[in-house]
Amino acid sequence: QVHLEESGGGLVEPGGSRRLSCTASGFTFSDYYMSWIRQAPGKGLEWVSFISNTGSTIYYADSVKGRFTISRDNSKNSLYLQMSSLRAEDTAVYYCAREEKEEQLFTGVYYYYYYMDVWGKGTTVTVSS
Amino acid sequence: IVLTQSPATLSVSPGERATLSCRASHNVSSNLAWYQQKPGQAPRLLIHGASTRATGIPARFSGSGSGAQFTLTISSLQSEDFAVYYCHQYNNWPPWTFGQGTRVEVK
Repeated sequence: QVHLEESGGGLVEPGGSRRLSCTASGFTFSDYYMSWIRQAPGKGLEWVSFISNTGSTIYYADSVKGRFTISRDNSKNSLYLQMSSLRAEDTAVYYCAREEKEEQLFTGVYYYYYYMDVWGKGTTVTVSS
Repeated sequence: IVLTQSPATLSVSPGERATLSCRASHNVSSNLAWYQQKPGQAPRLLIHGASTRATGIPARFSGSGSGAQFTLTISSLQSEDFAVYYCHQYNNWPPWTFGQGTRVEVK
């Protein structure tokens, strides 16, 4: 069965670094694009970063650009988020999610859209002194 | 793209119908999903493509709409349906965006 499990969360001081991991099972990890999404305490969902199946395409939210780095190791069925220069506002539950692809044909051209279909349970990062 | 959900909180009695709205600041075609989140749990995909139920989702959940106005309807609320619901657009990316959520609570 499809499963994602995050790890690596914890208490970090402002300005510090942390590496999150997400281990996938039950599907061919190397076929799927992946994302990180976070949720601050009592708040809504915020997309953080996206990576293609080969790692050749990567996107970041403006709020983390230049501070966070997404990567993956398909041989280990693992996704990573290296976080640096952490701030109090980065405090959140961090989820990894699998991106399902929708292919749509429009005027003879295929377009691809990605939505999050499977989520891990999340790992909590607290940035505080 | 900004997604605005309404109402922020919906009070419904078990067995009643719940109607949740999501309005997009720009046209997102049918590239909209709905998620359910219970306290302490990860979001669960309910609907994608504005109206397609995800695998294993009960038929009492239905989605409709296209363009900039969308609706999630729960036809007869069960006890396990009291939760927060988020809409999510994946038409214009990056960034992928979510609405602020609608809490469905017991009346």
